[in-house]
Amino acid sequence: DFVMTQSPLSLPVTLGQPASISCRSSQSLVSSDGNTYLNWFQQRPGQSPRRLIYQVSYRDSGVPDRFSGSGSGTDFTLRISRVEAEDVGVYYCMQGSHWPWTFGQGTKVEIK
Amino acid sequence: EVQLVESGGGLVQPGGSLRLSCAASGFTFSAYWMSWVRQTPGKGLEWVANMNLDGSEKYYVDSMKGRFIISRDNAKNSLYLQMNSLRAEDTAVYYCTTRRGDYWGQGTLVTVSS
Repeated sequence: DFVMTQSPLSLPVTLGQPASISCRSSQSLVSSDGNTYLNWFQQRPGQSPRRLIYQVSYRDSGVPDRFSGSGSGTDFTLRISRVEAEDVGVYYCMQGSHWPWTFGQGTKVEIK
Repeated sequence: EVQLVESGGGLVQPGGSLRLSCAASGFTFSAYWMSWVRQTPGKGLEWVANMNLDGSEKYYVDSMKGRFIISRDNAKNSLYLQMNSLRAEDTAVYYCTTRRGDYWGQGTLVTVSS
């Protein structure tokens, strides 16, 4: 299985400051169709996961533009340009290129 | 408004069975591959199974192969997960979602315990 490794696992941030989460895959996430199915999800306390970013860098509808995704191959990054209070939660990367789909361990974002 | 509503969770003894249901609305259900994902405190989020548009293709994570069966009824806009030979480690919140994760339900809790 493709192992997804996130860092850090805990990320205390100051309101208004940037934040960055890294996600590394054990193998290339380029799919047989040429696309890279690397998604980022946000899970607020007590809620279901919500997709923020799909195919590395495309923002879902309604996602604030302070969220951005980048990367290729095996290394990917989620950035929040200016953290707001509503961004508190756990963030997961997930690969959907090779079965079985797999998630990272999650990064808990909290306000300092 | 897109909605996925899971039901059928509960307490079941080890070795028992349970059938989860997911009712979809607000989007063209028959046009989406569908999936089940589970979440445990210990293992985090884990993809369980995928199913294609007409149910002719099914994919399972190895640990659930032979025990879990994913199915769908496009006429009823519904997805199902039949879980057999349940183990303590199957205890989790089970989510219904689309294959690419764009829509999620609220989850249903399955507890396997004697």
